[in-house]
Amino acid sequence: NAGVTQTPKFQVLKTGQSMTLQCAQDMNHEYMSWYRQDPGMGLRLIHYSVGAGITDQGEVPNGYNVSRSTTEDFPLRLLSAAPSQTSVYFCASTDHYEQYFGPGTRLTVT
Amino acid sequence: GENVEQHPSTLSVQEGDSAVIKCTYSDSASNYFPWYKQELGKRPQLIIDIRSNVGEKKDQRIAVTLNKTAKHFSLHITETQPEDSAVYFCAASINMLTFGGGTRLMVKP
Repeated sequence: NAGVTQTPKFQVLKTGQSMTLQCAQDMNHEYMSWYRQDPGMGLRLIHYSVGAGITDQGEVPNGYNVSRSTTEDFPLRLLSAAPSQTSVYFCASTDHYEQYFGPGTRLTVT
Repeated sequence: GENVEQHPSTLSVQEGDSAVIKCTYSDSASNYFPWYKQELGKRPQLIIDIRSNVGEKKDQRIAVTLNKTAKHFSLHITETQPEDSAVYFCAASINMLTFGGGTRLMVKP
């Protein structure tokens, strides 16, 4: 049981490039979400999903897309990277109440 | 939507003292209030949580209290140890979590 996994661990992008952050969970949780955490700050919700085929926007969705074709996977796509998207990205899955976080992806946009 | 405020933003205590972190929330429909500990470079880890049908919960040296009327909840750590040093986040949830801004706790030996 791996829990929540994220790849890659680190990524450097140039402004304007696109990429996908991968997130997978093997706990059969319906709820999954993506957060960003800027240095010295709390976690802000980007997008979330309440089940396969259903996604919704969180607090800071601009510049990001998500899809949920399976219960296990919830990828986050950056459409055209900007320096303001430099952050640590955490994926999480939720068992009704308790939220399980992945290890994070540290993204730098130059 | 929900808004969660957390205070203080930094807290320094002597080893063995108690530490208290407070949070307020805005949406009276919130029914789940977890606390997370995040060490440097690591993911947030759940340390204790409380649901809206109870007023207090304890787990060894940590406890959480909830006042639904006033819409605030607090984390209490007793007999602090250097390994308690970390950033602590509160959160409130109806269906998705909204996090407070975090408290950096430093426990001095």
